[in-house]
Amino acid sequence: DIQMTQSPSSLSASVGDRVTITCRASQSISTYLSWYQQRPGEAPKLLIYDASSLQSWVPSRFDGSGSGTDFTLTIISLQPEDFASYYCQQSYSPPYTFGQGTKLEIK
Amino acid sequence: EVQLVESGGGLVQPGGSLRLSCAASGFTFDDYAMHWVRQVPGKGLEWVSSISWNSGTINYADSVRGRFTISRDNAKNSQYLQMTSLKTDDTALYYCAKAALRWTTTRNGLDVWGHGIMVTVSS
Repeated sequence: DIQMTQSPSSLSASVGDRVTITCRASQSISTYLSWYQQRPGEAPKLLIYDASSLQSWVPSRFDGSGSGTDFTLTIISLQPEDFASYYCQQSYSPPYTFGQGTKLEIK
Repeated sequence: EVQLVESGGGLVQPGGSLRLSCAASGFTFDDYAMHWVRQVPGKGLEWVSSISWNSGTINYADSVRGRFTISRDNAKNSQYLQMTSLKTDDTALYYCAKAALRWTTTRNGLDVWGHGIMVTVSS
C-alpha cells in the first residue's frame, strides 16, 4: 500500500501569510494526487486534482505542484475562509490513501 | 443540483451488521465510479472502498476487506455499503463520494461528497 505523509500536522498563520503544506508518497505516484479542504462540520471539498489543476471554484491564491513522490499545496495570501483542514489523497493505486491531514489555524 | 444523500447509519453492537445507502441525483450516475470514505470525529479521512461505473472493479481498504461489501444499482442511482462483523474501530462518519472523471475510478479525485452518515459500534 502507498503511504501518504503530510506535514505539518498543524499550522498557525495569519491572514495574508503564505503557507505551504507538503505531502510525500511512499512510492512514485506520478501526478495522481488530489488535495481536499474540509471546514469544521462540513464534508471535504475537492480543491486540486492531478497535482496542480484547480477545481473551478478554487481561487487562484491556491497552488499545487509536484510529481513522483513529493507534492506541495501553497496558499499565497491566506484569507479567513482558508482556515480549515487540508488532506492529500493518492489515486495511483488502491487503496486510495489519504494523508493524515493538516489543520490550518488562525494565529 | 448534483447531490449525494447517505442513509442507514445508526447504533449497532459489536459483531453486528448495517447497510448504508447513498442516493445520487443531478448527474449521470452510471458514468461514474463511487466511493466510501470514513472519518472518526475529530480525526482524518480514511478511504474505505470504491466501485467502478459498471461494478467491474471493486476495491477495499485492508481494514474492511472481508467484512464490508460495496455494491451499486444504476437503475436506482444508488450505491450501498454492507457492513458486517462490525468493530468499535468502525465507528465513524461515513461519506459517499463521486469520482470526478467519467469511467475512471478516481483519476481526478472525488468531486462530490454527501453530508455523511454516522455509524456507532458500541455495546
